[in-house]
Amino acid sequence: EPEVTQTPSHQVTQMGQEVILRCVPISNHLYFYWYRQILGQKVEFLVSFYNNEISEKSEIFDDQFSVERPDGSNFTLKIRSTKLEDSAMYFCASSDTGPYQPQHFGDGTRLSIL
Amino acid sequence: DAKTTQPNSMESNEEEPVHLPCNHSTISGTDYIHWYRQLPSQGPEYVIHGLTSNVNNRMASLAIAEDRKSSTLILHRATLRDAAVYYCILRDAYQFYFGTGTSLTVIP
Repeated sequence: EPEVTQTPSHQVTQMGQEVILRCVPISNHLYFYWYRQILGQKVEFLVSFYNNEISEKSEIFDDQFSVERPDGSNFTLKIRSTKLEDSAMYFCASSDTGPYQPQHFGDGTRLSIL
Repeated sequence: DAKTTQPNSMESNEEEPVHLPCNHSTISGTDYIHWYRQLPSQGPEYVIHGLTSNVNNRMASLAIAEDRKSSTLILHRATLRDAAVYYCILRDAYQFYFGTGTSLTVIP
């Protein structure tokens, strides 16, 4: 069964540095999402992306964050000037024909800010 | 925000059916009811979704109340692998609002 893959599985970064989290969505999917989960807390929506633009974003997704689909297969989340509170699991997801269809999640990238 | 209410935790014996309830009294006519689960150290996994009618798939069944203000996820025979946090989610456009979910413990 096709999967969403995320790399790296664990990223350690110094506070203030920029980090890029990478995702390869399922190949025929058109809608892409990023979520985060701080340890012990809820999964929180960050952003959705369709047709090369952001379709919706949460209050968390401020100017520190950006997303990009640099080619036909990758979907990236960039976090600039990282803060300690950015430490979390970041999940990528994708869905095929529309935002109301089931989302398929990757196993996440654990981001640790030192 | 989340708009759903679930018990914090439930237990089930292995190989017995499990009924996971969810209340969503403020559901609107176009809200789909989605269920996801999250196993330890993994991303959320789709289980099932529906709008008005009961739904079945290979993983589970979804029973939706006639007034749509509540629903129940049914696992027909719990296995140890079903131990996870189960989330009942009302779909609001592009966003999923994950609540705290129900942590299911399966007892061998």
